[in-house]
Amino acid sequence: GAVVSQHPSRVICKSGTSVKIECRSLDFQATTMFWYRQFPKQSLMLMATSNEGSKATYEQGVEKDKFLINHASLTLSTLTVTSAHPEDSSFYICSARGASGETQYFGPGTRLLVL
Amino acid sequence: SQQGEEDPQALSIQEGENATMNCSYKTSINNLQWYRQNSGRGLVHLILIRSNEREKHSGRLRVTLDTSKKSSSLLITASRAADTASYFCATADSWGKLQFGAGTQVVVTP
Repeated sequence: GAVVSQHPSRVICKSGTSVKIECRSLDFQATTMFWYRQFPKQSLMLMATSNEGSKATYEQGVEKDKFLINHASLTLSTLTVTSAHPEDSSFYICSARGASGETQYFGPGTRLLVL
Repeated sequence: SQQGEEDPQALSIQEGENATMNCSYKTSINNLQWYRQNSGRGLVHLILIRSNEREKHSGRLRVTLDTSKKSSSLLITASRAADTASYFCATADSWGKLQFGAGTQVVVTP
């Protein structure tokens, strides 16, 4: 199956700093990438949808100025958590989908801890 | 927002037994997908069933879909310890956006 990577896998940062998470599709071109967050023992919540070369579409309640998404190429999307606070601590997971595909392929996730 | 409920929330079985979990949803769908997540890891796609399909098989997995009842079930036959994981259903709309259920935690003991 298609492979999606995320970097870093784990990050600890101080409150007020910004953190960038990368999501890469390694063996296919991802026209659409999705960003989710997952709190412990809970389900995945979609944060935003990004299409290559255009602005991301954010779900209701997700602050676009806080969670900056860039999908500059067909294999890379980045999520930047700006001015992170402890409540932003979570597991962030990306997924990627090709132009003709129905299936989303998920990355391994990034665990963010904000102190 | 979450699409619906999964039932049961947790399931504990012994190796060799079958595991069945159910998923209900609220809105119309394009397809429904099942995923597995091992603790602290990403999701692994298991199976996709389209809205015009009623049943699908993949190895030891069997998925059913009843659009009139807005529900789906996942059956894992002859379970193994390696099947221990959380299982999520997710419904896809016409844009391909996924909405996930709450998940079922399955523990298979040797």
